[in-house]
Amino acid sequence: GAVVSQHPSWVICKSGTSVKIECRSLDFQATTMFWYRQFPKQSLMLMATSNEGSKATYEQGVEKDKFLINHASLTLSTLTVTSAHPEDSSFYICSARPTGKNEKLFFGSGTQLSVL
Amino acid sequence: DAKTTQPNSMESNEEEPVHLPCNHSTISGTDYIHWYRQLPSQGPEYVIHGLTSNVNNRMASLAIAEDRKSSTLILHRATLRDAAVYYCILIQGAQKLVFGQGTRLTINP
Repeated sequence: GAVVSQHPSWVICKSGTSVKIECRSLDFQATTMFWYRQFPKQSLMLMATSNEGSKATYEQGVEKDKFLINHASLTLSTLTVTSAHPEDSSFYICSARPTGKNEKLFFGSGTQLSVL
Repeated sequence: DAKTTQPNSMESNEEEPVHLPCNHSTISGTDYIHWYRQLPSQGPEYVIHGLTSNVNNRMASLAIAEDRKSSTLILHRATLRDAAVYYCILIQGAQKLVFGQGTRLTINP
């Protein structure tokens, strides 16, 4: 079945540094990918919709300059957390959907970010 | 903002059926109803989806109300491995997702 690969699965960084998370669709093309954040014991929160070849659409309250999204190809979207701070520590997840009207979402396995 | 509404938590016993409800009163005619579940520290996995008719697969059944404003995910015989957070998600076209807080399902041995 279709697979979405997310890398890295965990990362620890110092405050003030930037971290890049990759989301790849391994055996299908995805014009659209989605990025989520999840705090411990809380629900998924949609952060942004990533569109191949164009700007991402951010949900209300998500800073686009803080969370940079690049979707340069039909199989890769990246989320860069810029100038990370401890409050950015969270579980970040991506999902992708094969092009087509009635396709399901495939989720990555998530990235646990810890900012010291 | 539009979202789906699910109970925060539910509990059931092993080998008994479980009915997980979801309200989506803002659904429009072309929105698909999807269900996913998430185990701790993992990405969600697909369970089932449908548009208007009830759907069955090896994991579960999906019962969709006639007016489509609600749906119910049915696990016919729950096992301990079914303990997870279940999300009901509306997918609108190619780019819009609508979902809520999910239901944390606990299965008692």
